[in-house]
Amino acid sequence: GAVVSQHPSWVICKSGTSVKIECRSLDFQATTMFWYRQFPKQSLMLMATSNEGSKATYEQGVEKDKFLINHASLTLSTLTVTSAHPEDSSFYICSARAGLRPSYEQYFGPGTRLTVT
Amino acid sequence: AQTVTQSQPEMSVQEAETVTLSCTYDTSESDYYLFWYKQPPSRQMILVIRQEAYKQQNATENRFSVNFQKAAKSFSLKISDSQLGDAAMYFCAYRSGGGSNYKLTFGKGTLLTVNP
Repeated sequence: GAVVSQHPSWVICKSGTSVKIECRSLDFQATTMFWYRQFPKQSLMLMATSNEGSKATYEQGVEKDKFLINHASLTLSTLTVTSAHPEDSSFYICSARAGLRPSYEQYFGPGTRLTVT
Repeated sequence: AQTVTQSQPEMSVQEAETVTLSCTYDTSESDYYLFWYKQPPSRQMILVIRQEAYKQQNATENRFSVNFQKAAKSFSLKISDSQLGDAAMYFCAYRSGGGSNYKLTFGKGTLLTVNP
């Protein structure tokens, strides 16, 4: 099956610094990638959708200047948390779709745990 | 906007027994997909089963089956012969069959415990 990787799996950063999370589709080309945020014992909350070569579409309430998303190639999307604060600590999950047809599945990465101190 | 409701925050089942997880959804669309995802303690999201709305036949995958009631907008997951490895958070999800991005809308999840 299709594999999506995320790097790093766990990161600790100091308040005020920026951190970048990478999401890669390893064996398929991802036309669309999604970024989710998940708090402990809660559901996944969609943050943004990105199509290769286009600007990301952010969900309502998500600060686009704080969460920068770049989908520069068909196999790589990055999420940069700028000027991170403790409230940004969370579990971030990316997913990727191989095409535009409704039947195409969405494959999930293993997630990245961000801790801001 | 579509909504997905999972009314059971937690469920438990004895090993080898059967358990049913409930899910209801609200939509005005006729073309859509429904999914059950499993998230074990590793937090990797795993697709358990999917159902296309246009298909009347309920989807099955080995020990997992769904009861899809389109008119009632209900989509329950039945796990037969429960195993310890089935213990996880289960999310019901909806995806539109139209549009261009096909984003998923998740329910709040049901935490399933399997007792030996």
